[in-house]
Amino acid sequence: TQLLEQSPQFLSIQEGENLTVYCNSSSVFSSLQWYRQEPGEGPVLLVTVVTGGEVKKLKRLTFQFGDARKDSSLHITAAQPGDTGLYLCAGHMDSNYQLIWGAGTKLIIKP
Amino acid sequence: KAGVTQTPRYLIKTRGQQVTLSCSPISGHRSVSWYQQTPGQGLQFLFEYFSETQRNKGNFPGRFSGRQFSNSRSEMNVSTLELGDSALYLCASSFPGREQYFGPGTRLTVT
Repeated sequence: TQLLEQSPQFLSIQEGENLTVYCNSSSVFSSLQWYRQEPGEGPVLLVTVVTGGEVKKLKRLTFQFGDARKDSSLHITAAQPGDTGLYLCAGHMDSNYQLIWGAGTKLIIKP
Repeated sequence: KAGVTQTPRYLIKTRGQQVTLSCSPISGHRSVSWYQQTPGQGLQFLFEYFSETQRNKGNFPGRFSGRQFSNSRSEMNVSTLELGDSALYLCASSFPGREQYFGPGTRLTVT
């Protein structure tokens, strides 16, 4: 059982559509990060959220940390083919330095 | 500031051989983590080093080992290679308990 469950596992949509991917847990996290990975490359950090209820925006990407710090979501507005990639969430649990990873959401944006 | 570097980028080995991969972290980062990623999969945690000490270890056989030097550079070694060890090996550096920054990875192919 993964401590961080990501859904959906796979998503394929048309350019211009909106989408939301989720990262859920039954445990509390002191911080959560989102990464995007392109094939054959290392993951690239997109954002870190640390406060319950926090919302951060990165151009067309909106990240939210749940009030109870157990879940997070990533919303993409007007998706573009350049958004294609594997989206990974990861977090630190309170009092634990080890980074816990979700299995990822593979996103394909078709032109 | 230079990013995380990994060498070599690509490697082809034969079953039964051993391999050593190298990672140079971002300057000032003393924590280095290693991950294995097979095609279409998420990140599988191998181990984490901090100040030359292994702090966490994933669920991999003893054929996988690592070390960290006093300058924070790290190496991982895989002995008696198996076909299933073919993967992208990723190194990430960080401050303890903070977000990780990844190198481009080493693509290992075992034939």
